[in-house]
Amino acid sequence: KAGVTQTPRYLIKTRGQQVTLSCSPISGHRSVSWYQQTPGQGLQFLFEYFSETQRNKGNFPGRFSGRQFSNSRSEMNVSTLELGDSALYLCASSTTLGTRGTEAFFGQGTRLTVV
Amino acid sequence: DAKTTQPPSMDCAEGRAANLPCNHSTISGNEYVYWYRQIHSQGPQYIIHGLKNNETNEMASLIITEDRKSSTLILPHATLRDTAVYYCIVRVGNNAGNMLTFGGGTRLMVKP
Repeated sequence: KAGVTQTPRYLIKTRGQQVTLSCSPISGHRSVSWYQQTPGQGLQFLFEYFSETQRNKGNFPGRFSGRQFSNSRSEMNVSTLELGDSALYLCASSTTLGTRGTEAFFGQGTRLTVV
Repeated sequence: DAKTTQPPSMDCAEGRAANLPCNHSTISGNEYVYWYRQIHSQGPQYIIHGLKNNETNEMASLIITEDRKSSTLILPHATLRDTAVYYCIVRVGNNAGNMLTFGGGTRLMVKP
């Protein structure tokens, strides 16, 4: 069973540009979550999509957005990039949570560097 | 979701058991305890989770105290490949979403 695939793995962008990152979840998983990891702030939740709808959102500015397609693949977009957006962006996929809880499977991440 | 407290770092000798503690004194009755780990520059990896009973799988054991205010993740025979940051997370088990709130975690160093 293929894992969570994130593309690209590495990206260098200039301040002010925008960037789109892609995440393909595990087959059959309908929930996709995005996280940002920086040395200073650690792992922080960005947003979650379930069945093409944003279900939860973290405390990030509106420059960070996302969407999910009918095949559960997800993209996140960051507009007007700032130096502080340099980070490892992680995507996680999960099955429907249910009352017992379930685990999230993470991709390898996209390392974004803003210069 | 309840907050957790973990020691920032721990060492363990290779082949010995690694016991990683986590305090979650404000945990609610419907919150599960999850453990993930992150090996350098990789995405976090799920290890185990539980509600109130002790759990064991092929990776680790999870011991939850009777009052559920703390738990311990046990890696029975630590290897060098277990060197990672271990995160303890508590969260509600329902259909509200899959958001995970990561704290600082414990950096486990397994030494030869």
